[in-house]
Amino acid sequence: SYVLTQPPSVAVAPGQTARIACGGNNIGTKGVHWYQQKPGQAPVLVVYDDSDRPSGIPERFSGSKSGNTATLTISRVEAGDEADYYCQVWDGSSDHNWVFGGGTKLTVL
Amino acid sequence: QVQLQQWGAGLLKPSETLSLTCAVSGGSFNGYYWSWIRQPPGKGLEWIGEINHSGSTNYNPSLKSRVTISVDTSKDQFSLKLRSVTAADTGVYYCARELGTGRAARPDYFDYWGQGTLVTVSS
Repeated sequence: SYVLTQPPSVAVAPGQTARIACGGNNIGTKGVHWYQQKPGQAPVLVVYDDSDRPSGIPERFSGSKSGNTATLTISRVEAGDEADYYCQVWDGSSDHNWVFGGGTKLTVL
Repeated sequence: QVQLQQWGAGLLKPSETLSLTCAVSGGSFNGYYWSWIRQPPGKGLEWIGEINHSGSTNYNPSLKSRVTISVDTSKDQFSLKLRSVTAADTGVYYCARELGTGRAARPDYFDYWGQGTLVTVSS
C-alpha cells in the first residue's frame, strides 16, 4: 500500500518560516492535501490539491510539490500555529485508498 | 455553513459493538460521499469507510469484516457500526465530508469534519 512519510517534529521561532515535508513515491501524480490538528480538536483542512487554500485559511499557509516530496510552508509563524499537521492523498492503485502521513508536530519556540 | 454533529456511546466493553451517528446540516447531503475516520490516542489518522446518499459503501480492507456504514437520507444522517471491539479500537472517531479536486475522478479529500467522539474500550 501507498506510504506518506513525514518528519515527526519541526520547531521554529515565531516570525520565521516552517516547512513540513511529505514524501511519497510518484507523489507528483496525486493531489496532496494538508490538515492542521490542535490538541483536542478535529482536523482542519488548510491546503488542498497541492497548493489551494480553503476560504478562511491565512495566506501564510501554502503548499508546493517537487519530485517525490510535497511541502507545507507556514510563513511568519505564530504561536497559534503550533499543532500537528497531516498530509493526505487518495491512491487508486491499492486497496488502502485513503492515505495519511504519520503527522508532524510543529513546535513554536 | 456545513456542520457535522456526531454522537454515540463512549465506553464499551471488549466484544461489544461500537455505534456512532453523524448528522449533516447547513448544506446538501445528496451528491456527496461521507466518511468515518479514527485516531488512536497519540497516533495518526486512519480511514474507516465511506458511504454516499444512495448507500454505496467502501471500507478499509483491514476493518471490512467488522464494519457497517449506513445512511438515513430522510434525516441527513449516516452511521457507523464496528463489531467485536477490542482495546485496539480505542480512540477518537470522526465523521467527515469528502470533496474532489477532479484529479482522481472521485472525491479525494475531506473539507468538513465532525467534532469527534472519544470511544474507550475497556473491561
